[in-house]
Order: sequence, then C-alpha cells, then structure tokens
Amino acid sequence: RKEVEQDPGPFNVPEGATVAFNCTYSNSASQSFFWYRQDCRKEPKLLMSVYSSGNEDGRFTAQLNRASQYISLLIRDSKLSDSATYLCVVQRIRTGANNLFFGTGTRLTVIP
Amino acid sequence: GAGVSQTPSNKVTEKGKYVELRCDPISGHTALYWYRQSLGQGPEFLIYFQGTGAADDSGLPNDRFFAVRPEGSVSTLKIQRTERGDSAVYLCASSATGYSYEQYFGPGTRLTVT
Repeated sequence: RKEVEQDPGPFNVPEGATVAFNCTYSNSASQSFFWYRQDCRKEPKLLMSVYSSGNEDGRFTAQLNRASQYISLLIRDSKLSDSATYLCVVQRIRTGANNLFFGTGTRLTVIP
Repeated sequence: GAGVSQTPSNKVTEKGKYVELRCDPISGHTALYWYRQSLGQGPEFLIYFQGTGAADDSGLPNDRFFAVRPEGSVSTLKIQRTERGDSAVYLCASSATGYSYEQYFGPGTRLTVT
C-alpha cells in the first residue's frame, strides 16, 4: 500500500470556483503534514503545513484528521495562477532519518 | 540568497553508461536529500545525508546507485550501467538540520537514458 494516496485528477474548474483536494496516509507514526505545489517542469515548493486544528493562508485552508489519517486542502476563489499539481506530503523524523513521503499529486487547471 | 542548485539541468545518456549528477545545497544546510520523480508520480526518497555521512540510504533502488558528500556540502549522485528505467527527474533538497521540517528543493536534473 502506498504511503500517501491522492486522487490524481485532473480537476478543471472555472475561475472563482472553490475546489477541494483530499489525501490519506497509511502510517500512523507520521508526524508532520504538508501540501506542496509543483508547476510543470519545476521543483516542488512548500505551499503550507497542515495542523489538526486546521490552518488558513489567504484563500487556502488545510485540515488534518489524525484519527482518519486524512488530509485536505481547500482553495477558494480559484485564480488562473493556481493551476499546478498539488502534492500531499507526510514526514517522519527520527534519529538518522528525515523522510518526506509524497502522493502522486493532484493536477488542477483553472479555466478562464 | 541562493537556493539549491543542480547540474546539469538535462542529461541524455546511452544505456549502460555511467552518469554523475551534482547538487549544491543552500549554504550552511547540514542535511541533504536526493529524490527521484518519474512521470506522473510524486518524488520518491533515495538517500539522506547528515553532514558527510549517508544517514539513510534505504531508498536507493539497487547497487548501481551511489551518492557521496565528501565535504558536507556538495553532493554527487552516481549511477552505473544506466538503464532506460532510470529515466526520471532527480531532485535534490536541503534543510538546515536533520530535524528541520522544511526541505528546499533544487530544480532537478532530467535524466534520459536512450
């Protein structure tokens, strides 16, 4: 079973729409959770960390449910510039290791 | 300041050849990571360096892959007897310490084995 599972999409939404992405992770020992954004042929960049209490950064809201091992990302008022692949990521840090586990990514295209 | 840099940006090689991929981490970052990203997939962990030593090489797919970081800064990923299945983007990342949450990625080297 993959460490992180997410729907690859694609999601095609009109400008201004609200879109939600979800992912699940398999290892309950995972400690930290993130959403990364990756533009075509570019490196992944950290979009935001995800906390159990939920956190918001402008139009982006992330949520973690540890009991269900479920992570979500909500994008409100989609912009053309939001078009990218969104990677769900979990992290485990222990002595001698600091591993990020990536999902396959969900591709979003925002249409004018 | 300067981010993580990787060279070359693109590398085309013939099956069976040897290749070296270079990573320059952010200055002062003690932890360095190599990942491999195949088309349509997320990055997969290969190896993690803390300083000069490989603290975790559990992601290396087989003994054709090897990486070094002799002075604790620049790292080289070495692939022997390349196979077509090695074609992917090889990403390097660094973080301030081995306990840092954020890893900063370089632009990657796109390796194509023909």
